[in-house]
Amino acid sequence: QQPVQSPQAVILREGEDAVINCSSSKALYSVHWYRQKHGEAPVFLMILLKGGEQKGHEKISASFNEKKQQSSLYLTASQLSYSGTYFCGTDLTSNRDDKIIFGKGTRLHILP
Amino acid sequence: DSGVTQTPKHLITATGQRVTLRCSPRSGDLSVYWYQQSLDQGLQFLIQYYNGEERAKGNILERFSAQQFPDLHSELNLSSLELGDSALYFCASSQEGGSVQPQHFGDGTRLSIL
Repeated sequence: QQPVQSPQAVILREGEDAVINCSSSKALYSVHWYRQKHGEAPVFLMILLKGGEQKGHEKISASFNEKKQQSSLYLTASQLSYSGTYFCGTDLTSNRDDKIIFGKGTRLHILP
Repeated sequence: DSGVTQTPKHLITATGQRVTLRCSPRSGDLSVYWYQQSLDQGLQFLIQYYNGEERAKGNILERFSAQQFPDLHSELNLSSLELGDSALYFCASSQEGGSVQPQHFGDGTRLSIL
């Protein structure tokens, strides 16, 4: 079941804040966040695990609401380098043979 | 540089042909994943291998197959190619797999079917 990301796209000015949401119709074990710049490979940002543990980036924060089956990525005081497409990926179990399903992405464009 | 190497970077071929995409994971990573990314689409999971064995399968077509070799590099074979197979194919690796570890992506192979 593919997670749903919102918004699909957002344009900000440098220094403004952004929130990107990721929703699932099923209970989640983990949420992964990646950023992909145009023409480049996706780059790992953060993993949020059921129970509250987080692993990831120092300058980006995120939340994981297990009851609502949602995660949000917070980009504060955005910089030009934050531009790109942000993907969330969800995993339903802790089983090693389970797979991460990615959403369609949120395009973020930062203007100077 | 993620440490994941994919070759070739670009591949142009015709319908009906067969191609092989190659991936070398980061040193120490045992798990390899393959994804397909079409224009304006997200990352579609194809298949995962762990230490030479298939671990998870996504929406991978029967015309596509993959394997992971004893040296841990992986190959994705695409046969009877169709126009719709044109896409960016990414390989990613992680230490063991599962939900608790990040995946490190290669730069991808861009496949164009004429």
